[in-house]
Amino acid sequence: GAGVSQSPSNKVTEKGKDVELRCDPISGHTALYWYRQSLGQGLEFLIYFQGNSAPDKSGLPSDRFSAERTGGSVSTLTIQRTQQEDSAVYLCASSLNSGAAGELFFGEGSRLTVL
Amino acid sequence: TQLLEQSPQFLSIQEGENLTVYCNSSSVFSSLQWYRQEPGEGPVLLVTVVTGGEVKKLKRLTFQFGDARKDSSLHITAAQPGDTGLYLCAGERYGANNLFFGTGTRLTVIP
Repeated sequence: GAGVSQSPSNKVTEKGKDVELRCDPISGHTALYWYRQSLGQGLEFLIYFQGNSAPDKSGLPSDRFSAERTGGSVSTLTIQRTQQEDSAVYLCASSLNSGAAGELFFGEGSRLTVL
Repeated sequence: TQLLEQSPQFLSIQEGENLTVYCNSSSVFSSLQWYRQEPGEGPVLLVTVVTGGEVKKLKRLTFQFGDARKDSSLHITAAQPGDTGLYLCAGERYGANNLFFGTGTRLTVIP
């Protein structure tokens, strides 16, 4: 489809393991966001990529979290040494972004469970 | 600490009733958006308001942006079961193109 695609949709891992979550944004969208959502509550901002500019990493909760965006398209969010409190739905969104935030188009999320 | 606080957190009403959801902050925003999210899906944009004092209507939904650009409200008239979902406000701060989301309001409309 033409929407934002995230994988895996569900991931169960053991405490201490590393995980990678992938986001494939809508073609042509220059802005890409990662958010975390716990227990169906509000969204916690993690990181924002805009074109070739340096990403806004101000929302990353610890140095165990990192993200990259290759070629201005696909993004990978990596969580190292996972902890139980990392369990959440990780949502990716992309936007056409012509200078304002614009409409964000979200994927269905990756549900992470850390045992 | 959340930048945007929504109230109420949970709301359960009968079909046909009216309701208002509030989104408040101590910060000023250049624009504010409202999204609705259904289980297992990502949020979907309902509206964007950009001018202080602006009122936008979308069928039975009325959105207002505060004069000081620090708060917003969503009013639903004659709620229907299809309105059930998680409502999220999201604000863009001046000079920053990323969006900060509110704490969310979970609405259940009972038939």
